[in-house]
Amino acid sequence: GENVEQHPSTLSVQEGDSAVIKCTYSDSASNYFPWYKQELGKRPQLIIDIRSNVGEKKDQRIAVTLNKTAKHFSLHITETQPEDSAVYFCAATNQAGTALIFGKGTTLSVSS
Amino acid sequence: EADIYQTPRYLVIGTGKKITLECSQTMGHDKMYWYQQDPGMELHLIHYSYGVNSTEKGDLSSESTVSRIRTEHFPLTLESARPSHTSQYLCASSEYKGWRDEAFFGQGTRLTVV
Repeated sequence: GENVEQHPSTLSVQEGDSAVIKCTYSDSASNYFPWYKQELGKRPQLIIDIRSNVGEKKDQRIAVTLNKTAKHFSLHITETQPEDSAVYFCAATNQAGTALIFGKGTTLSVSS
Repeated sequence: EADIYQTPRYLVIGTGKKITLECSQTMGHDKMYWYQQDPGMELHLIHYSYGVNSTEKGDLSSESTVSRIRTEHFPLTLESARPSHTSQYLCASSEYKGWRDEAFFGQGTRLTVV
């Protein structure tokens, strides 16, 4: 089945710096790659997603890049702010497209 | 308001008891999921369903069962609770809209088995 690896598991940055989180997936048939943000005590929420025929997508301070050949995708957060502190999860669909498989999560801490 | 609801929010139960965690969604989504998550940790897929009368096991063997008799309802049952089942259980639902398959999560049930 699909396997999603996510790195790093923790990331600490200073406010205003950029943060990059990377994920790799195993199933070449996967075609949808969302990123979720989970604040402390809250439920995960979608922040950005990309489909397999697109290489890059940007939404204000966040962007996602996808390299289908290498089977990896990344989340980029620029000009980080303390409110960006949360756990971020990447995900990919399984081969049948019937379920989302999540990475292990990255705890991002932004200090002011 | 369309949402996904889980009950109970918190549950403390003795070892060996049978429990059912409830999950209902009013968004009309075909797909529903159960994930197990320790605080701030990995989301483990334990069961999913892509429609009425369909259920599939995820990667994590959790010794639980699910049913999907109605589109909006996806309960999770533990036949005999053990301390190793202590965790948070998140229910989610999703449906393809165009190319997007956004999952919406419930508030979670925090289960403690003593």
